Amino acid sequence: AQSVTQLDSHVSVSEGTPVLLRCNYSSSYSPSLFWYVQHPNKGLQLLLKYTSAATLVKGINGFEAEFKKSETSFHLTKPSAHMSDAAEYFCVVSDFESPGLTFGKGTHLIIQP
Amino acid sequence: DAGVTQSPTHLIKTRGQQVTLRCSPKSGHDTVSWYQQALGQGPQFIFQYYEEEERQRGNFPDRFSGHQFPNYSSELNVNALLLGDSALYLCASSYSPAGYEQYFGPGTRLTVT
Repeated sequence: AQSVTQLDSHVSVSEGTPVLLRCNYSSSYSPSLFWYVQHPNKGLQLLLKYTSAATLVKGINGFEAEFKKSETSFHLTKPSAHMSDAAEYFCVVSDFESPGLTFGKGTHLIIQP
Repeated sequence: DAGVTQSPTHLIKTRGQQVTLRCSPKSGHDTVSWYQQALGQGPQFIFQYYEEEERQRGNFPDRFSGHQFPNYSSELNVNALLLGDSALYLCASSYSPAGYEQYFGPGTRLTVT
């Protein structure tokens, strides 16, 4: 069975500083991995996805993530945080064996002015 | 290009009642998945519909049922509502069941009193 662990429930950074949101996954098969963002009272938006191509994945709004199979990690980074990045971020795993997408519990990103 | 739409936005029901939620997929998509997001949690997969049939199902009781229409739109029905069914219900669409990239609607907020 697949699973996702987001290592931090809350992350607080100052505007203009780097962002790191950590995610570990478990999957018996070659997984697809995603990061979604959810702003208050809005639906989920896909930031980026990994599907067994390049291990460094670039997404929207300056975010990127690196797939590390040896560490079963898929951490999300951004070089410089912006106030508009404040939101809930979900790491998601999918493989052909398990139904649907499996979400982590989310990381709440707070941007300090 | 219209994205995924859901109705209603908010709904209040009494314990024991039945509820129907509706979803229209993104243009060109033929697969619809439903998720339940409890407060402070990540979404959990309920089931997926493709070609008007339930293709995959998560760990939800039979009180949760669905339907997909020839135009690919979908309904989620929940019978005998419990207080614990209070949540945000998200609909997602994709190009096919194997199309892991899913696009989410804004959700329906269900409150059971």
